[in-house]
Amino acid sequence: AQSVTQPDIHITVSEGASLELRCNYSYGATPYLFWYVQSPGQGLQLLLKYFSGDTLVQGIKGFEAEFKRSQSSFNLRKPSVHWSDAAEYFCAVGSNYQLIWGAGTKLIIKP
Amino acid sequence: EAEVAQSPRYKITEKSQAVAFWCDPISGHATLYWYRQILGQGPELLVQFQDESVVDDSQLPKDRFSAERLKGVDSTLKIQPAELGDSAMYLCASSLALDRGKETQYFGPGTRLLVL
Repeated sequence: AQSVTQPDIHITVSEGASLELRCNYSYGATPYLFWYVQSPGQGLQLLLKYFSGDTLVQGIKGFEAEFKRSQSSFNLRKPSVHWSDAAEYFCAVGSNYQLIWGAGTKLIIKP
Repeated sequence: EAEVAQSPRYKITEKSQAVAFWCDPISGHATLYWYRQILGQGPELLVQFQDESVVDDSQLPKDRFSAERLKGVDSTLKIQPAELGDSAMYLCASSLALDRGKETQYFGPGTRLLVL
C-alpha cells in the first residue's frame, strides 16, 4: 500500500542553522511529491513539488527538496532558518487523483 | 491573490447538535476537497468533488456526515449529530482539475470544531 513516513515528530533548530526534514514514501510508480507547510491555526500552503526532471527542486521561502529514488526519499532543506519558519511541515504523495499525507514534522526554532 | 474561503473559523457545539461548515473555492477550480485534521496528524480526506459530482467519499462517515456542492461552486459539510470525537480542524481545498495526483491543492484557513 502507498504510504508516506515522516520519521521526526518534532525537530528543534537554532535560528540561523540549517534544516533537513525527512520524508520517505512507499509507492509503486513514479511518485508526484509535495511539501506543504501549516502555520499554527492555519491551512496548508504548498512549498514545492516534484513530478519529474531535475531531482533538486526549489520552492518558496528559500526551501529546497531533493528526490532520491534509490532511497525513496524526498527530504526538505533550508540553509538558514528564520523564526518565522516555525510551523508544521507535511510531505505528501500524489496518487490516483488524491494526496497521501505524512503525519507531519513540527519545527521549533530556538532563538 | 485568490484564496479559498471557509466559515466559520471556529465553532463550539454540544454533542448531538448539528453543525455546518461552508467553503468557497478559488474561482474556476473544478475540484473541491474536504479534509479532517486531528491535532498532530496529517489531513484525512473526507470527500472529493469534481464540479458537482462526488468523486470519492469512501472515508466520509455517512451516518452522520453529509456534503454537497449543488452548483459546482461552493460547498457545505454537515455533521448531525456531532460527537465528541468530531473535534478537529476541518479543511477545505480546491484545485483546477483532477490531474492524476499532480494537481496542486490550495487550502482555506480551516474551521476549528470543538464538541463539548
